[in-house]
Amino acid sequence: KAGVTQTPRYLIKTRGQQVTLSCSPISGHRSVSWYQQTPGQGLQFLFEYFSETQRNKGNFPGRFSGRQFSNSRSEMNVSTLELGDSALYLCASSWGSGNEKLFFGSGTQLSVL
Amino acid sequence: AQSVTQLGSHVSVSEGALVLLRCNYSSSVPPYLFWYVQYPNQGLQLLLKYTSAATLVKGINGFEAEFKKSETSFHLTKPSAHMRDAAEYFCAALEPNTGFQKLVFGTGTRLLVSP
Repeated sequence: KAGVTQTPRYLIKTRGQQVTLSCSPISGHRSVSWYQQTPGQGLQFLFEYFSETQRNKGNFPGRFSGRQFSNSRSEMNVSTLELGDSALYLCASSWGSGNEKLFFGSGTQLSVL
Repeated sequence: AQSVTQLGSHVSVSEGALVLLRCNYSSSVPPYLFWYVQYPNQGLQLLLKYTSAATLVKGINGFEAEFKKSETSFHLTKPSAHMRDAAEYFCAALEPNTGFQKLVFGTGTRLLVSP
């Protein structure tokens, strides 16, 4: 059974650009959540999607958005990139919302120059 | 709001020595608790979890953790460290029965293992 797949693995952008990251959950998983990991702030929750609906959102500005498709794949978008958005973005999937077993992907390393 | 505290950003042990990584949570209602490990350039791998069943939880790779409500702690231990255990370890909490998947993470502890 394939794990959580995140693409691309690495991304380099410049300030002001926008970026889209993709996450394919484990087959059968319907919940996808996103986390940002930085050396300074650690791991912080961005948002969670379940059955194409955003169920919870962390304390991030509106430049961070996401969506989930009917096949449970999810994308997150960051507009008007800032240097501080440089981070490892991790996606996690689980069978159901409220299920405690989350499986993480390897992440997308975003560098903003 | 829930918070998780990990004491010690770095812990150094010798190969074969006991590993003890500390984690404390803040809420009065015991959350679900997790330990994750992260190897360089990789995502997070679940080591073990506590979800209000047995207080002593055994995980993968010889790790275990004990939930102590009186101390609001969930420390991670391993009797004998291996070189391959060198990685960053994160303690995390999840509020039960909310229907949400919002994990709150500690700041992480980097485990260094010397020969």
